[in-house]
Amino acid sequence: DQQVKQNSPSLSVQEGRISILNCDYTNSMFDYFLWYKKYPAEGPTFLISISSIKDKNEDGRFTVFLNKSAKHLSLHIVPSQPGDSAVYFCAATGNFGNEKLTFGTGTRLTIIP
Amino acid sequence: GAGVSQSPSNKVTEKGKDVELRCDPISGHTALYWYRQSLGQGLEFLIYFQGNSAPDKSGLPSDRFSAERTGGSVSTLTIQRTQQEDSAVYLCASSSGTYNEQFFGPGTRLTVL
Repeated sequence: DQQVKQNSPSLSVQEGRISILNCDYTNSMFDYFLWYKKYPAEGPTFLISISSIKDKNEDGRFTVFLNKSAKHLSLHIVPSQPGDSAVYFCAATGNFGNEKLTFGTGTRLTIIP
Repeated sequence: GAGVSQSPSNKVTEKGKDVELRCDPISGHTALYWYRQSLGQGLEFLIYFQGNSAPDKSGLPSDRFSAERTGGSVSTLTIQRTQQEDSAVYLCASSSGTYNEQFFGPGTRLTVL
């Protein structure tokens, strides 16, 4: 049972445009959500997170939106840059981050120069 | 500064052999996690150590898998009688504090022939 779902395995976006990556979850106990970025042969690196008490968190070019009623979150990257090409994983956890992460299957983002 | 390190980076073994994978977390991090990523899959939680508490082993796929964390620092994941389906990248992460950001190591790629 996939509790965190990323339904788009891949996404291509023109450089300078907005990249939108989506994630859905089913477990109502999740209260903290994270996005990780992964390059080949490296471990995932933390990008941005959001607590369930918020609906938006922004950090530079990256913004995460949380819609609790729809159990949906999205990551917006604007403007997209070639270095953003990577696999992006959505993850969720309970107890405000003090538990194991449940990951989605990832979305491979390719930025086209 | 030193991040999470894992060894070996690659391990090729024959079916039925035992393997040990090592993780050195970031100094001072009280929580340590093991995940694995099989081909085409997301990251799958295996086991979680937090301080002196009993580990959360709920993600271990079978009793062939075990892990220990000595002195609250280094951790070893052991897989006995390896099977081909154990082939995956095994990732270790560590974190500290509330709203924890888990820092990942580069992973160990295990191939069981």
